[in-house]
Amino acid sequence: KAGVTQTPRYLIKTRGQQVTLSCSPISGHRSVSWYQQTPGQGLQFLFEYFSETQRNKGNFPGRFSGRQFSNSRSEMNVSTLELGDSALYLCASSLEVDVTSYGYTFGSGTRLTVV
Amino acid sequence: DQQVKQNSPSLSVQEGRISILNCDYTNSMFDYFLWYKKYPAEGPTFLISISSIKDKNEDGRFTVFLNKSAKHLSLHIVPSQPGDSAVYFCAASKGGYNKLIFGAGTRLAVHP
Repeated sequence: KAGVTQTPRYLIKTRGQQVTLSCSPISGHRSVSWYQQTPGQGLQFLFEYFSETQRNKGNFPGRFSGRQFSNSRSEMNVSTLELGDSALYLCASSLEVDVTSYGYTFGSGTRLTVV
Repeated sequence: DQQVKQNSPSLSVQEGRISILNCDYTNSMFDYFLWYKKYPAEGPTFLISISSIKDKNEDGRFTVFLNKSAKHLSLHIVPSQPGDSAVYFCAASKGGYNKLIFGAGTRLAVHP
């Protein structure tokens, strides 16, 4: 079966611009979460969507936003990009709301570079 | 405020020997812990998990130990293989929510 698909794989943007990243979960998965990975910081939780509703939000500024569509596909948007937003952005999908039942399945990520 | 810490950024082990990766946490409300493995240019892959009501969970060559009083968990890989070379992340959650708190990761290198 198809895994979690993230597009694009690589992106270069200029400071001040905005960017939209896309995530298609595994078929049937209704929960999609987003994480930011930077060197030395591990993965930091951005937000989670379940059935088009944001269930959880991490400690990121309002420039980071997301949404989920009725087919469970999700997008995240970062406005007014800063150099520090350069990172690998990962999305993960799961079948159930409670991650303790089924481990997340991560996509390969989108590598965003802000110049 | 790092609630999940992996204090060793890297570990080097000889093939066939045991690899022990450590993780400490500060939040006593965490009730589920997971380990992920990550290769370059790929997303993290779920490896093994443990509930806070247990102190050990095994899956083949991988065993996770949980010491709640010390707020410490460890992942044992026996025997280690070159294909195990990757970055290992420890993660924790408070049950019922798809929000994982990750450590910074430990890079494991297994040498032939």
